Amino acid sequence: SQELEQSPQSLIVQEGKNLTINCTSSKTLYGLYWYKQKYGEGLIFLMMLQKGGEEKSHEKITAKLDEKKQQSSLHITASQPSHAGIYLCGADMHSGAGSYQLTFGKGTKLSVIP
Amino acid sequence: EAQVTQNPRYLITVTGKKLTVTCSQNMNHEYMSWYRQDPGLGLRQIYYSMNVEVTDKGDVPEGYKVSRKEKRNFPLILESPSPNQTSLYFCASSLSANRAGEAFFGQGTRLTVV
Repeated sequence: SQELEQSPQSLIVQEGKNLTINCTSSKTLYGLYWYKQKYGEGLIFLMMLQKGGEEKSHEKITAKLDEKKQQSSLHITASQPSHAGIYLCGADMHSGAGSYQLTFGKGTKLSVIP
Repeated sequence: EAQVTQNPRYLITVTGKKLTVTCSQNMNHEYMSWYRQDPGLGLRQIYYSMNVEVTDKGDVPEGYKVSRKEKRNFPLILESPSPNQTSLYFCASSLSANRAGEAFFGQGTRLTVV
């Protein structure tokens, strides 16, 4: 079974609307990472969250990690066509010390309609 | 410019013919990793390296080999490729193993094995 579940699988929003993507695990996440990928291209690192309750923002994108460190959300405010792409979460979830092995969600495909 | 360079970008080969995909980074990063991305299965880690001469298996290492003789290079070797290794491959590098997910990704290598 997939250790990191992302939802929704795809999302179509009107430009200017807000949206949220979720990443959930049944295990504790020791480092949670968000990436953006243009179709067929390499991933671009967005943000890293490590502490329970942590929240980070970059421009109009905000990522949060819950207190139990098992769920993260990525929120985009006032979406723009430039936000379109595939968003992936990745995590180090194998040990407290960090096994240095990463697991990824299957991604959320975001389309923004002008 | 900081970058991870993979070659080739596209490759079509026949079953059983050994091939190497090269990966080079110019950021003096310690941690490097290889991933494959498949529809419906997402991004999965093949091998990773925490430093020169230190490599370890990821989630899907079968059929692949790697080496890390120099810090900047981390080639992926398929000794006897099979059709189930047809995939999109990404190399990535990070400053250190503790920050494995804060990665720079290459542009990808699309491999087809016939």
